[in-house]
Amino acid sequence: NAGVTQTPKFQVLKTGQSMTLQCAQDMNHNSMYWYRQDPGMGLRLIYYSASEGTTDKGEVPNGYNVSRLNKREFSLRLESAAPSQTSVYFCASRDRGPSYNEQFFGPGTRLTVL
Amino acid sequence: DQQVKQNSPSLSVQEGRISILNCDYTNSMFDYFLWYKKYPAEGPTFLISISSIKDKNEDGRFTVFLNKSAKHLSLHIVPSQPGDSAVYFCAASASYKLSFGAGTTVTVRA
Repeated sequence: NAGVTQTPKFQVLKTGQSMTLQCAQDMNHNSMYWYRQDPGMGLRLIYYSASEGTTDKGEVPNGYNVSRLNKREFSLRLESAAPSQTSVYFCASRDRGPSYNEQFFGPGTRLTVL
Repeated sequence: DQQVKQNSPSLSVQEGRISILNCDYTNSMFDYFLWYKKYPAEGPTFLISISSIKDKNEDGRFTVFLNKSAKHLSLHIVPSQPGDSAVYFCAASASYKLSFGAGTTVTVRA
């Protein structure tokens, strides 16, 4: 099992450009998440999808959109990138049920917006 | 407003000694608490967790203690090893979502 995979690993954008970060999991998990990590801030939730067909805003959703393409895939789109979106982005997934609160994380995408 | 706080950005400990990492939270609705470990250029990996109805959970060298009345939890690593050098995140769960602290960077000295 590959677990949670993310593409690309690195990306440099100019202000105003758009891009989509891809995430896929092969663990048959119901819930998927997008976080950003900034120095001194920990991980902050951008959007999540509790189950296939649903998406909800997290703590910092402004400037982002998401698509839960199917049970395996959850993409994050930046329509018009801004320097404030320079960050490391992590995708995660989780199985259903209160006893399965552990989330499994991908390796991250390091994004720089110039 | 940050609901989970790790007030110590860094911790340096000698190999073989105990590492104690602390975490405070504000939301009484959190029902599960987790610790994640993160190496540079990798995603966080789950380390240990504790349910809000317990006060201690142990897994090998790692023990997590929960004090609900103080809204405080701690992670003890005994003995500390060089491979434990990493960033440790405290996280608290409510429903589907996790709230993370800012992390504590642990350095284990030989």
